[in-house]
Amino acid sequence: GNSVTQMEGPVTLSEEAFLTINCTYTATGYPSLFWYVQYPGEGLQLLLKATKADDKGSNKGFEATYRKETTSFHLEKGSVQVSDSAVYFCALSRAGDSWGKLQFGAGTQVVVTP
Amino acid sequence: GAGVSQSPRYKVAKRGQDVALRCDPISGHVSLFWYQQALGQGPEFLTYFQNEAQLDKSGLPSDRFFAERPEGSVSTLKIQRTQQEDSAVYLCASSPRPGTGNTEAFFGQGTRLTVV
Repeated sequence: GNSVTQMEGPVTLSEEAFLTINCTYTATGYPSLFWYVQYPGEGLQLLLKATKADDKGSNKGFEATYRKETTSFHLEKGSVQVSDSAVYFCALSRAGDSWGKLQFGAGTQVVVTP
Repeated sequence: GAGVSQSPRYKVAKRGQDVALRCDPISGHVSLFWYQQALGQGPEFLTYFQNEAQLDKSGLPSDRFFAERPEGSVSTLKIQRTQQEDSAVYLCASSPRPGTGNTEAFFGQGTRLTVV
């Protein structure tokens, strides 16, 4: 079946540091891939997405590239801020499914210190 | 408000009690999804509605879980005879299009259920 594996947290880093959160997936066909973010006290929000191989999703300085050959969708940001402290979830939607029916990873907590 | 609203935000139930969790989707949204998120885990899909029709209930963990959306707007997730393993955050999401429509799903803040 489908699955999403992401690096365990918490990840703690200083403001302006480089952030990478690894995500790999197992799926048949060509799923759509997503990163969701959950800020403290808030609901899940879509951060970025990519729908086909080699697509790059980007938003708020975050980027992730859909790599079919390595079945990966790693999240990166060049210079994090304290306000980026949150839990980040990698997710996939099977080809043909609604983008609302998602398979999530376990989440990675990111803590950015001043 | 303009977002997905869930109530109650917190619910404590004694083992064996029945509970009902409510979701008010964004007005006009056709699709509605329920998820269960255990502590420290990612959300797990439970069920999906398109308008009032429940098209996918493959994620419901047992027949104690029941969801409905009788008028195609508000939805209720009911859990009968709650057990400790039902303790989790229950998330609701809605999206404006049906089925395979490729549009973002918007999540509510969830209901935290604790079974004691």
